[in-house]
Amino acid sequence: AAGVIQSPRHLIKEKRETATLKCYPIPRHDTVYWYQQGPGQDPQFLISFYEKMQSDKGSIPDRFSAQQFSDYHSELNMSSLELGDSALYFCASSSGRETYGYTFGSGTRLTVV
Amino acid sequence: KNQVEQSPQSLIILEGKNCTLQCNYTVSPFSNLRWYKQDTGRGPVSLTIMTFSENTKSNGRYTATLDADTKQSSLHITASQLSDSASYICVVRGGFKTIFGAGTRLFVKA
Repeated sequence: AAGVIQSPRHLIKEKRETATLKCYPIPRHDTVYWYQQGPGQDPQFLISFYEKMQSDKGSIPDRFSAQQFSDYHSELNMSSLELGDSALYFCASSSGRETYGYTFGSGTRLTVV
Repeated sequence: KNQVEQSPQSLIILEGKNCTLQCNYTVSPFSNLRWYKQDTGRGPVSLTIMTFSENTKSNGRYTATLDADTKQSSLHITASQLSDSASYICVVRGGFKTIFGAGTRLFVKA
């Protein structure tokens, strides 16, 4: 079965650069969530989208922005990268109409040098 | 096969009743296990976090148990309320891995 696809799997950027992470949800899933997990830390919720509209916002820095497109894939844009942004970024998808089924991607590991 | 399996996938209970959700994992080594409550489209709310040495931890009407030997955890909800309707996600950290369960969708009906 298709899973949540995140790209790229690994990304290395320098300070003050920008990065774009992509998330392709399970087909027919209309909700996407982004999480950030720093080294040795538990995942932190960043932001979520439902039917292409932002539905909730967590601890997402102002330097980050995200959107969900008409095909339901989502992109997390990160600007003015800092060393502290180095983390594993997870994306998850779900459908509001289904009774179960959060599916998480394998994550994008971002390293800022 | 996912390293974190949750059951049941969905559950419907009447308001005021108790229920228990299960989380079995194979993640190794084990660091901690966290239960989250998540409404569709909303960010998760952490209910409990349990480490290897903890067997039981309560947070109001939520009680989590952990058996590190059998690699099983449960989340017991007492005297359910309509507002408990949500998905409950089990997340296990071990080594450099964080593995999410698919969640159990709980519906509480009046």
